[in-house]
Amino acid sequence: AQKITQTQPGMFVQEKEAVTLDCTYDTSDQSYGLFWYKQPSSGEMIFLIYQGSYDEQNATEGRYSLNFQKARKSANLVISASQLGDSAMYFCATISGGYNKLIFGAGTRLAVHP
Amino acid sequence: ETGVTQTPRHLVMGMTNKKSLKCEQHLGHNAMYWYKQSAKKPLELMFVYSLEERVENNSVPSRFSPECPNSSHLFLHLHTLQPEDSALYLCASSRDRALDTEAFFGQGTRLTVV
Repeated sequence: AQKITQTQPGMFVQEKEAVTLDCTYDTSDQSYGLFWYKQPSSGEMIFLIYQGSYDEQNATEGRYSLNFQKARKSANLVISASQLGDSAMYFCATISGGYNKLIFGAGTRLAVHP
Repeated sequence: ETGVTQTPRHLVMGMTNKKSLKCEQHLGHNAMYWYKQSAKKPLELMFVYSLEERVENNSVPSRFSPECPNSSHLFLHLHTLQPEDSALYLCASSRDRALDTEAFFGQGTRLTVV
């Protein structure tokens, strides 16, 4: 069974600085996907970035990049130039063959300070 | 209207009540999902529907009854709930079963069982 581990329950960062949110995964599948979602206090889960297991390059989406280390089974999210609006819960998730069942980690609460 | 819409946003119900949560997506997606998010626990996948057919039921108690009348609508019928069922219930949809398909989430229904 797939499993996602996020070891940082909470993180804080100064505005305009970069922050890394950790994620490790456990899967026996050869093909899998890794996702990061942001959940502000409003409750909605907002898709941020995707990394496929066969992608050789790290995914990037604007200020978000995914540091994918396949051998270590880690998929850390890097947010550059943090903004106050980045304060939210961040979830790492994986998906495997079959129906698109997202398996989520426990999440990391990020607080951006001015 | 676009995206995934959930109603109501907030619901308070007694243990003997019957209520329904509604989810609607206008994205042309084939698959829809119900997730439960309890405090201090990872998101739990409850049900998966693909092309209006239930394809997964993750050992969810029978007091939760899903219904998918068409590919755009998903319901979660609730009856004789327990206080521990209080949580944020999130609906999601995705295009297909491909590993690189992100799920789009609604803003959730915050349910309180009294």
